[in-house]
Amino acid sequence: KAGVTQTPRYLIKTRGQQVTLSCSPISGHRSVSWYQQTPGQGLQFLFEYFSETQRNKGNFPGRFSGRQFSNSRSEMNVSTLELGDSALYLCASSLAQSAGASSYNEQFFGPGTRLTVL
Amino acid sequence: AQKVTQAQTEISVVEKEDVTLDCVYETRDTTYYLFWYKQPPSGELVFLIRRNSFDEQNEISGRYSWNFQKSTSSFNFTITASQVVDSAVYFCALTLNQAGTALIFGKGTTLSVSS
Repeated sequence: KAGVTQTPRYLIKTRGQQVTLSCSPISGHRSVSWYQQTPGQGLQFLFEYFSETQRNKGNFPGRFSGRQFSNSRSEMNVSTLELGDSALYLCASSLAQSAGASSYNEQFFGPGTRLTVL
Repeated sequence: AQKVTQAQTEISVVEKEDVTLDCVYETRDTTYYLFWYKQPPSGELVFLIRRNSFDEQNEISGRYSWNFQKSTSSFNFTITASQVVDSAVYFCALTLNQAGTALIFGKGTTLSVSS
């Protein structure tokens, strides 16, 4: 079974630009979560999508947005890039279901997209 | 508020030494889940173990073992007879009993095992 894939793997942008990152979950997984990893703040939850709906959101500004398509693939968008947005962006998918609690589900992570903002 | 603390930023050991990575968590919820993940130099987080708040049994998997103690809010991870391949960043994480899968991570412990 193929794992979580993320494209592109590396990206260089300049301040003020916008960027879109893509994530393809493991086949059959309907939940996709995004995390930002920086040396200073560590791993921080951005948001989670389930069945094309945002189910949870972390404490990030509105410049960070995402969406999920009917095939469960997800994209994350960052507008008006700032230097502090330079980070490794990780996507994770899980078998989380719609009904009841699903936070116990193991999340499978992709290799990440390394974004550098100049 | 929920929080995970990994006080050890970096640990260096020599092969075959045993090493324990500490994890202390904070939550007022009675139902929660704890995880350990490994991040090798390649960057991809690898799931190691999950434990729910009602199961305080310790677990052993090969050279890995985990000690969960609710009384001290700790979920420590021990590697026995460490190997060079164990070199990685290890993260402890917490999630609450809710719909959704938001993980709250500790800052991680970088383990370096030399030969």
